[in-house]
Amino acid sequence: SQELEQSPQSLIVQEGKNLTINCTSSKTLYGLYWYKQKYGEGLIFLMMLQKGGEEKSHEKITAKLDEKKQQSSLHITASQPSHAGIYLCGADIAMYSGGGADGLTFGKGTHLIIQP
Amino acid sequence: NAGVTQTPKFRVLKTGQSMTLLCAQDMNHEYMYWYRQDPGMGLRLIHYSVGEGTTAKGEVPDGYNVSRLKKQNFLLGLESAAPSQTSVYFCASHRRGRCYFGPGTRLTVT
Repeated sequence: SQELEQSPQSLIVQEGKNLTINCTSSKTLYGLYWYKQKYGEGLIFLMMLQKGGEEKSHEKITAKLDEKKQQSSLHITASQPSHAGIYLCGADIAMYSGGGADGLTFGKGTHLIIQP
Repeated sequence: NAGVTQTPKFRVLKTGQSMTLLCAQDMNHEYMYWYRQDPGMGLRLIHYSVGEGTTAKGEVPDGYNVSRLKKQNFLLGLESAAPSQTSVYFCASHRRGRCYFGPGTRLTVT
């Protein structure tokens, strides 16, 4: 079963509009990573959140981890064509298997298309 | 720093052939990982290593072997390639809450 659920699966947004992508877990998130992937390319690290209520921003992208640490949202303000791609959330596998840096488990990604 | 590099970038294999994918990192990270990415399946962990000389199985280890003889290198081997192993393979290294990914290797098995 997919332990990290991302929504929506795909999103088409007009350039200049705001958008939000969600990542939800059935278990407490002890480390939540957001990545962006251009089609056919590697993953670019965006942000990592650890504390409940934590919020980080980079340029026009803001990510937040809720107080219960079971949901994270990624918000893009005034979207641009450069924001198009696949957004992936990943969480520390250790929380599912117990202990150690055993890698990340990922959601299936959100495909973002920006319409001019 | 080059970060995480992968070779080759592309490869086409015939069923039953073998090959090795090389991952190298110059950040002195202890933890390294191999993932595969498939449409509709997302990224799945194949094998990982928490230090030189150690390896462990991830979510989808069958059909793959790995070795970490040197801290900076993590090799992924396919002994007898199958069409089901057609995928994009990503290597990553991890330290202090940040996981760095390589550019990926696109493998096609015919």
